[in-house]
Amino acid sequence: QLQLQESGPGLVKPSETLSLTCTVSGGSISSSTYYWGWIRQPPGKGLEWIESINYSGSTYYNPSLKSRVTISVDTSKSQFSLRLSSVTAADTAVYFCARHLISATVKYFDYWGQGALVTVSS
Amino acid sequence: SYELTQPPSVSVSPGQTARITCSGDALPKQYAYWYQQKPGQAPVVVMYKDTERPSGIPERFSGSSSGTTVTLTISGAQAEDEADYYCQSADSSVVFGGGTKLTVL
Repeated sequence: QLQLQESGPGLVKPSETLSLTCTVSGGSISSSTYYWGWIRQPPGKGLEWIESINYSGSTYYNPSLKSRVTISVDTSKSQFSLRLSSVTAADTAVYFCARHLISATVKYFDYWGQGALVTVSS
Repeated sequence: SYELTQPPSVSVSPGQTARITCSGDALPKQYAYWYQQKPGQAPVVVMYKDTERPSGIPERFSGSSSGTTVTLTISGAQAEDEADYYCQSADSSVVFGGGTKLTVL
């Protein structure tokens, strides 16, 4: 059974960079069928997709966040990572990592991590 | 990018049929997907490609599509179905609807 687990600091200061890593187990991160994505959810609010990456480093991104987002993949560790720069209180959210099934006709998230709360505060 | 619009809330009594709609201009051209999210948990996909139900999802969940609106139907809603439901679609970018809180009481 595929499992994803987010890890990283739960508290980040304003203007600094948020960094999270997702570790994939129970399946291969190098499958050409899948991308690996980040989605966030501010407290009490809805879901917002951030960006997705595949094993070779190709990305599929949200234009509204792209200028602050860096996403990377390390296939040797079965991990992919998110960096979000210049954070403000508006970036406080639960950050989920997920497997992103992308084909010519299908684009959705079929496995999710449990989520990690990141609070931006001084 | 475009938007997906959902009603903020839907309420039904146990055993009744719940219908949650999602509207968006791109839906005639792109598939919709539905996620169920219970408090403190990650979303779970309950419908994909408008009408396909993943294995393990109860048969009372069904999906339909008509023009710019897709609908998630829960026939005979149960207390355990009480959750937030999100629709999602994608063209050049992934978009989520704002979510619908389903209350079963």
